[in-house]
Amino acid sequence: DSGVTQTPKHLITATGQRVTLRCSPRSGDLSVYWYQQSLDQGLQFLIQYYNGEERAKGNILERFSAQQFPDLHSELNLSSLELGDSALYFCASSGGPPLPPNTQYFGPGTRLTVL
Amino acid sequence: AQSVTQLGSHVSVSEGALVLLRCNYSSSVPPYLFWYVQYPNQGLQLLLKYTSAATLVKGINGFEAEFKKSETSFHLTKPSAHMSDAAEYFCAVSGPGVSNSGYSTLTFGKGTMLLVSP
Repeated sequence: DSGVTQTPKHLITATGQRVTLRCSPRSGDLSVYWYQQSLDQGLQFLIQYYNGEERAKGNILERFSAQQFPDLHSELNLSSLELGDSALYFCASSGGPPLPPNTQYFGPGTRLTVL
Repeated sequence: AQSVTQLGSHVSVSEGALVLLRCNYSSSVPPYLFWYVQYPNQGLQLLLKYTSAATLVKGINGFEAEFKKSETSFHLTKPSAHMSDAAEYFCAVSGPGVSNSGYSTLTFGKGTMLLVSP
């Protein structure tokens, strides 16, 4: 158990809908990262937050957004969902400033299925 | 920008045999390298990491990896495979974020599925 929690574990929804994925980092960790894992794209970095502020963006679509709240939990919002958005979404957290070589600890993931 | 290449999407070994999973990196700055393991229907678990201290890094579950700058490699090995090692293994490099903000993000390889037969 990494100490990172994600809810829900599974999510099934329809095209065009909007969903919210939630992540609670390990106790004391200030950085949160979101990743998407799909069969065709592999593991891709989406976005990073540090102590409530966005720090880095990866291959995140404009239909996707995220935020980190004062209690440090984070939410990833996915809107206008398409079939291709079906994937595993992971959250990771790390302690200290998000500088190398910070170690990221991963949650169990949320499996999103878009029908 | 940094990247990693994992050679072989699938590796098959017999129980008790040597495990060798290959990873080559490309980085414009001194890299920090990681190996993660993903068991079916689970998240990623850190196996080991290289942070410019010793070049031979020992991790959990009997795994180790050697950083070779001349070969830009960070291959993962285990002397004797166990059935419980069957999983997908990811090599990752940490460095400046893709936005070059200076903050650290992880770039993953495509993964190698390790199959262990009795």
